[in-house]
Amino acid sequence: EVQLVESGGGLVQPGGSLRLSCAASGFSFSSYEMNWVRQAPGKGLEWVSYIGSSGSTINYADSVKGRFTISRDNAKNSLYLQMNSLRAEDTAVYYCARERGTWWDYWGQGTLVTVSS
Amino acid sequence: QSALTQPASVSGSPGQSITISCTGTSSDVGGYNFVSWYQQHPGKAPKLMIFDVTNRPSEVSNRFSGSKSGNTASLTISGLQAEDEADYYCSSYTSSSTRRVFGGGTKLTVL
Repeated sequence: EVQLVESGGGLVQPGGSLRLSCAASGFSFSSYEMNWVRQAPGKGLEWVSYIGSSGSTINYADSVKGRFTISRDNAKNSLYLQMNSLRAEDTAVYYCARERGTWWDYWGQGTLVTVSS
Repeated sequence: QSALTQPASVSGSPGQSITISCTGTSSDVGGYNFVSWYQQHPGKAPKLMIFDVTNRPSEVSNRFSGSKSGNTASLTISGLQAEDEADYYCSSYTSSSTRRVFGGGTKLTVL
């Protein structure tokens, strides 16, 4: 069974940092591209970042470029999102999602990040 | 403001059919057959319902179907059931550096 389990969310002050993790199981993690997608409270989905299966190709939404860094450790079946210079508008539930072609077929349950003083 | 435009809400009675539209441009919806649809119940993760415009995962009911005409994609749900009440999001591949864009979401109410 495919499972994606996010962790690392919490309350952080503006300007602070947080590192999210996504533990994958039930599939060959190293063979799949992965993404982070977020959802602000009461708002819609927003794509955040993409990483290719080997980690060599990476993309970011303009809203997080220069502040967030996506990475993966295929030996540990894990995806990461390092978030620096956090702003109030980064407050959201962050989901990791497995990419299959041009769609996302499995999503984690999400981890809540709250940026507030 | 989302890159793709969806109606904020739609409603229908049990057994009826409804259609949710998703309008983009020739750089996304109109330029590629890479539109997907996601269902999200409150407090839950999104669930894939349709991929590549018309394809349905095996575990998704055949009451759900997708189509596209020009820059507008559509999700149709036939034989509405109470369990279909949820938020629905479209997404498309885009030629921009962001690679993917979402619609703003549509809240489906089953009356």
